[in-house]
Amino acid sequence: QKEVEQDPGPLSVPEGAIVSLNCTYSNSAFQYFMWYRQYSRKGPELLMYTYSSGNKEDGRFTAQVDKSSKYISLFIRDSQPSDSATYLCAMSANTDKLIFGTGTRLQVFP
Amino acid sequence: SQTIHQWPATLVQPVGSPLSLECTVEGTSNPNLYWYRQAAGRGLQLLFYSVGIGQISSEVPQNLSASRPQDRQFILSSKKLLLSDSGFYLCAWATGYDSPLHFGNGTRLTVT
Repeated sequence: QKEVEQDPGPLSVPEGAIVSLNCTYSNSAFQYFMWYRQYSRKGPELLMYTYSSGNKEDGRFTAQVDKSSKYISLFIRDSQPSDSATYLCAMSANTDKLIFGTGTRLQVFP
Repeated sequence: SQTIHQWPATLVQPVGSPLSLECTVEGTSNPNLYWYRQAAGRGLQLLFYSVGIGQISSEVPQNLSASRPQDRQFILSSKKLLLSDSGFYLCAWATGYDSPLHFGNGTRLTVT
């Protein structure tokens, strides 16, 4: 079993839809959780960074962490074609070594 | 603000040739520095990381090596490339263990 599981997609949604991206993990010691967005042929860009459980909101993006279920989510409201990218979750026990998911490819069509 | 520079963006090299990829960070001091390789469908694989000048930790034994000759410079090298070294190489930095990673735009290496 991988430490971090992420559905590779692709996930295809119409513009304006609410998108839900998810990761599950097995290591209960993880306490730092991140979401990165990666456009084709570019490096990953940090979107959200959360510590422990709870929600964090930034504009159209909301990150949720449920440590009891070992499940994290990223919600994108009012999705735009410019949101089309691969989304990577990442987590660690102390951020010294991040464990990444394999990424979910999102396509938002006009 | 902090910026990270990574070059070249693309590189095509023959099998058996040497490799040198360079990464520099601006706007911060004594960052943690990282080299990752990304393969399609396999996520990001940590290759090396460094918490200070001359200090390198290797995560995966392989045909590559890393060096940190200056505080904000990180170099990935190989003496003889293999076909299996092809991939997308990413440099990243962090201010410390409690901060997230920030990535460069990567080098796409094709070994022919």
